[in-house]
Amino acid sequence: ETGVTQTPRHLVMGMTNKKSLKCEQHLGHNAMYWYKQSAKKPLELMFVYNFKEQTENNSVPSRFSPECPNSSHLFLHLHTLQPEDSALYLCASSQEIGLAGGYNEQFFGPGTRLTVL
Amino acid sequence: AQKVTQAQTEISVVEKEDVTLDCVYETRDTTYYLFWYKQPPSGELVFLIRRNSFDEQNEISGRYSWNFQKSTSSFNFTITASQVVDSAVYFCALRHRNNNDMRFGAGTRLTVKP
Repeated sequence: ETGVTQTPRHLVMGMTNKKSLKCEQHLGHNAMYWYKQSAKKPLELMFVYNFKEQTENNSVPSRFSPECPNSSHLFLHLHTLQPEDSALYLCASSQEIGLAGGYNEQFFGPGTRLTVL
Repeated sequence: AQKVTQAQTEISVVEKEDVTLDCVYETRDTTYYLFWYKQPPSGELVFLIRRNSFDEQNEISGRYSWNFQKSTSSFNFTITASQVVDSAVYFCALRHRNNNDMRFGAGTRLTVKP
């Protein structure tokens, strides 16, 4: 595997289900991100992990719970979602110079297309 | 506050035409970074270029070129002799040096017809 991989690529879930999205980066980077891409809205940064520490949480509802067990893996745990949470969820990684961040480009995975019924 | 505006929602051209995608940004910081990404139908964002705020030199890479003008806060992207494979959504993004928050524009959907 190369680059950033995400599984599953597609997910359909009911509002009462619990599911998890997985992201893995094979680039040796030290920062990972979750983004949400809805129709007709700009990409929204949800969470940032820098050196495995969460450094950003952009007012994301608690029904989304991230987990970063190591610098190569990132999870997004989902529970009791709403239909408006249906979107493309993108994971990205980058090589940062410290906890304060840096300037490097982010490399994205192919995304998980989530549909909440 | 930082903001990126891509005023062109959709552009349609015929193959071999040149096309320019506009990007205007707002920031109060003096050190920042600008990016362009391409999102083909497969969904994955592909990194195209990064430009530092202190480097206004324009860049050319094959059929792609970028025009960075700090005076007008613009970072425009031109595709020369467009091809059908260039069809995608293109995003411009802005990031400050000491901040992980990358702000994306709304994107411009480019359709290149044969």
